[in-house]
Amino acid sequence: NAGVMQNPRHLVRRRGQEARLRCSPMKGHSHVYWYRQLPEEGLKFMVYLQKENIIDESGMPKERFSAEFPKEGPSILRIQQVVRGDSAAYFCASSPIDRRGTEAFFGQGTRLTVV
Amino acid sequence: SQKIEQNSEALNIQEGKTATLTCNYTNYSPAYLQWYRQDPGRGPVFLLLIRENEKEKRKERLKVTFDTTLKQSLFHITASQPADSATYLCALDMTGGFKTIFGAGTRLFVKA
Repeated sequence: NAGVMQNPRHLVRRRGQEARLRCSPMKGHSHVYWYRQLPEEGLKFMVYLQKENIIDESGMPKERFSAEFPKEGPSILRIQQVVRGDSAAYFCASSPIDRRGTEAFFGQGTRLTVV
Repeated sequence: SQKIEQNSEALNIQEGKTATLTCNYTNYSPAYLQWYRQDPGRGPVFLLLIRENEKEKRKERLKVTFDTTLKQSLFHITASQPADSATYLCALDMTGGFKTIFGAGTRLFVKA
């Protein structure tokens, strides 16, 4: 039973380009969470999605960032017109149900570097 | 303001000793508190969850306490081993919310 799969593991983009980060949840999991982690900082919640629905996007920057979790395929976190400040590790987690009070399973992250 | 604080300084201990990590929070009322382990370059791995009405939880060599009056959780690793060296993250789940609020973590080094 494969865990949460994120790809790519490392992504380098020039300023102004688009970054697309993908997350395939564990089999049977329909809830996906995205977090951003800066060096020496904790994970910051970005967005919570269920299949085809955004449930809570209160942690997402208002501009340039978007997320989706289609009926088929992985969840995508999209960052348009990247800037140096977007450089961070982006983690995805999944759970079979609304995970309040239960553990979440994290992927290995995508490390985005904007040059 | 709302804060969740873990020791920013690394904790260095000798193998076999008990490691104790602290998580303090202010202006939150968590329903659950969780501890995760994170190794360099990898995603967090869940260790333990404790509910607001629980005082203590154990799992093998791990023990977590949760004091909602002090707004503090202590995480203990007994008989520590070099393999326990990692960053340990404290996380709060709120009643009615979907976010999990993470602390910045404490790095633990266990020397052989």
